[in-house]
Amino acid sequence: QMQLVESGGGVVQPGRSLRLSCAASGFSFNTFGMHWVRQAPGQGLEWVAVTSSNGVAKFYADSVKGRFIISRDNSENTLYLQMDSLRGEDTAVYYCAKERGDFTGFDSWGQGTLVTVSS
Amino acid sequence: QSALTQPASVSGSPGQSITISCTGTSSDVGGYNYVSWYQQHPGKAPKLVIYDVTNRPSGVSNRFSGSKSGTTASLTISGLQGEDEADYYCSSYKSGGTYVFGTGTKVAVL
Repeated sequence: QMQLVESGGGVVQPGRSLRLSCAASGFSFNTFGMHWVRQAPGQGLEWVAVTSSNGVAKFYADSVKGRFIISRDNSENTLYLQMDSLRGEDTAVYYCAKERGDFTGFDSWGQGTLVTVSS
Repeated sequence: QSALTQPASVSGSPGQSITISCTGTSSDVGGYNYVSWYQQHPGKAPKLVIYDVTNRPSGVSNRFSGSKSGTTASLTISGLQGEDEADYYCSSYKSGGTYVFGTGTKVAVL
């Protein structure tokens, strides 16, 4: 049974940093691309970032480019999102999601972790 | 990165069929057969119901079907049931290695 468990969310002041983690189990973590997707309160889904299975290729949404870094540790089956220079508009539930295959949608999601950026 | 355009809400009676549209551009929906659809119940994580425009993951009801014409993809739910009441989002791979979601559609079962 595939499982993804996010952690690291919380309340943080604008301009500060936070690192999210996503622990994966139940599948061969090192063979799938992994994504972060966020959802602001009462709003829709927004794709944030992707890392390839080997962690070499990384792509970001324009809204986070230059501020967020996605990374992974395949030896620990863990995905990360380093978020710097946080803004109020980054307030959201952050989900990690597993790619079904190259480009083919996200077939497993975590329960999400809430990040609140507020002074 | 502009979101794909979906109707805000769609409704239907039990047993009826409804269709949700998802309009993009030639750089996303129109350029690739990598459209997927997600169902999200309140307070829950999204669930994949369609991938690669027309394919259903194992365990998803065959009442869900997908299609695409040009820059518009569609999700059809036939034999509408109360449990289908949820938010639905489309998503597409986009040129440049990125992805984009739709604006979301709230489905109501009357």
